[in-house]
Amino acid sequence: DTGVSQNPRHKITKRGQNVTFRCDPISEHNRLYWYRQTLGQGPEFLTYFQNEAQLEKSRLLSDRFSAERPKGSFSTLEIQRTEQGDSAMYLCASSVRDRGPVYEQYFGPGTRLTVT
Amino acid sequence: AQSVAQPEDQVNVAEGNPLTVKCTYSVSGNPYLFWYVQYPNRGLQFLLKYITGDNLVKGSYGFEAEFNKSQTSFHLKKPSALVSDSALYFCAVRGILGGFKTIFGAGTRLFVKA
Repeated sequence: DTGVSQNPRHKITKRGQNVTFRCDPISEHNRLYWYRQTLGQGPEFLTYFQNEAQLEKSRLLSDRFSAERPKGSFSTLEIQRTEQGDSAMYLCASSVRDRGPVYEQYFGPGTRLTVT
Repeated sequence: AQSVAQPEDQVNVAEGNPLTVKCTYSVSGNPYLFWYVQYPNRGLQFLLKYITGDNLVKGSYGFEAEFNKSQTSFHLKKPSALVSDSALYFCAVRGILGGFKTIFGAGTRLFVKA
């Protein structure tokens, strides 16, 4: 079990540029989540995938944000025309349905985005 | 709307003393409740969860949490704190009627002094 990995770990970009982050979940996990975390706050839900289907999106996910999970394995989160307010830690988590109805999530180390 | 409150930004406790980190929640319907811990420079790690049944849930590293439906609380506890327990703790809730969205509290920083 190699855990959830995220790349890059850090990204500095200029306002107006596009950025893309990648998340590789634990291999047998079919559920994948993206969160955003700012200083002093808990993770804020952005979106959820079950296999390749994006089943839920937060209203936080504006038109500039898009996420994909084309083959039901890794996922990408793209932010277009970045703004300084997008500076945050972007977290990915994965989970698998256990024998019960609810499952814990395994988090990656995050990608820290700084928009200058 | 679903929400989670962690009323204390920081909790200080001496090593060997019991600790409590508080959490209250608001959801429609029955809740699924979680505690996660974040150590410096590491990702969030799952500690324990409540789904149904026994109100006292036991988790990793000797932690436990008590679900109180009437007070809508899910406080994290440990009988004897260790210095290594010092970390940032997050309470999270997902309502049965809330889809797949999990709501996290703002976090409580726990300092355990030797």
